[in-house]
Amino acid sequence: DTGVSQDPRHKITKRGQNVTFRCDPISEHNRLYWYRQTLGQGPEFLTYFQNEAQLEKSRLLSDRFSAERPKGSFSTLEIQRTEQGDSAMYLCASSLGTSGDNEQFFGPGTRLTVL
Amino acid sequence: GENVEQHPSTLSVQEGDSAVIKCTYSDSASNYFPWYKQELGKRPQLIIDIRSNVGEKKDQRIAVTLNKTAKHFSLHITETQPEDSAVYFCAGLFGSYIPTFGRGTSLIVHP
Repeated sequence: DTGVSQDPRHKITKRGQNVTFRCDPISEHNRLYWYRQTLGQGPEFLTYFQNEAQLEKSRLLSDRFSAERPKGSFSTLEIQRTEQGDSAMYLCASSLGTSGDNEQFFGPGTRLTVL
Repeated sequence: GENVEQHPSTLSVQEGDSAVIKCTYSDSASNYFPWYKQELGKRPQLIIDIRSNVGEKKDQRIAVTLNKTAKHFSLHITETQPEDSAVYFCAGLFGSYIPTFGRGTSLIVHP
């Protein structure tokens, strides 16, 4: 499968625990996005990378959230001290180019449940 | 930040009818408006997009129209089929090329 992959697909954790998700984009895609999606809503932008540089973060992204893309390939999203409100589907997407107006290919998502 | 309003939230049609989904945006300029289809339990997939230098784009049974003056754009699906049933999201690229999605339209096509 040469598409975007995410791991794990499901994560159940207790409130207060830290979780980390991984995204592997399509190779040679230099842009990588993280989104959060809750039921009945569209994907909500969290942050994006151009190669290894994190260029933009949503104002909604609290300081408990951090993302990295150290070598410009895979990316990780960490949530510290999880809260019940963090329960959502976390989607990763990748695209070619530097302007953002190219097709984004989404991964299958990681569904997070915080108990 | 930018807000994209999408209507209707639910659309129910009979097979063979047309379906139209509308989106509006408010303040910022955007040059790129993609539409995504998300089937139940699956990832969003791009179905069509339009750039600001054109007013309409067609791809078989799907078309998108853009009115930059009025700041609205629409998705048109003709001759709907049951496999068109899904949630459709409009989006725009605003500011620092940050994608903003609408809340989605659940399209149900009855056979």
